[in-house]
Amino acid sequence: ETGVTQTPRHLVMGMTNKKSLKCEQHLGHNAMYWYKQSAKKPLELMFVYNFKEQTENNSVPSRFSPECPNSSHLFLHLHTLQPEDSALYLCASSQAQGVWTYEQYFGPGTRLTVT
Amino acid sequence: EDKVVQSPLSLVVHEGDTVTLNCSYEVTNFRSLLWYKQEKKAPTFLFMLTSSGIEKKSGRLSSILDKKELSSILNITATQTGDSAIYLCAVEEGNAGGTSYGKLTFGQGTILTVHP
Repeated sequence: ETGVTQTPRHLVMGMTNKKSLKCEQHLGHNAMYWYKQSAKKPLELMFVYNFKEQTENNSVPSRFSPECPNSSHLFLHLHTLQPEDSALYLCASSQAQGVWTYEQYFGPGTRLTVT
Repeated sequence: EDKVVQSPLSLVVHEGDTVTLNCSYEVTNFRSLLWYKQEKKAPTFLFMLTSSGIEKKSGRLSSILDKKELSSILNITATQTGDSAIYLCAVEEGNAGGTSYGKLTFGQGTILTVHP
């Protein structure tokens, strides 16, 4: 139990569907992250939120739309995805204090398959 | 472009062996280097190394940061089958002013298999 939960754990969607991934952290952190892990590729940072504000968008296509309503919740809204978007999507959280950001703790991930 | 390279890509050992995993990096405005263990889904945090903390140890695992060589090693002594996993190295980059935003660049990982 890592203190970061993600739902759903598995998702199959067609290219014309709209779905959302949800992440919740119970660690009292104030920074949250979305990562993509594709087969045989390094973990890839997608978005960073510090104190609910987006501070990083790592050139992610607009078909991925993040939302951070508060420091404990993070969503990733998906629409008109492509088959190459099939991957494990991981959420993480960390404590940010002053100029420092501390280690990130990961959720179990959502295995997404786009058909 | 920032780059994190791990070696070897895979390693097979027997229980009781000692292993050394390597990570080299090229990033602008280095802030920290982190090691994670990934067994099934969620990577679990092992160590965070910074300029003020270049050596960490926890049980059979230890890690050293060499800022001069831009590299780090992760050592596991007396390996057990439960150590079988993918070990990920990540480097955090800050901005020019020294502030970090949690921007991690990961290496491709080392797959460690420990046989009984």
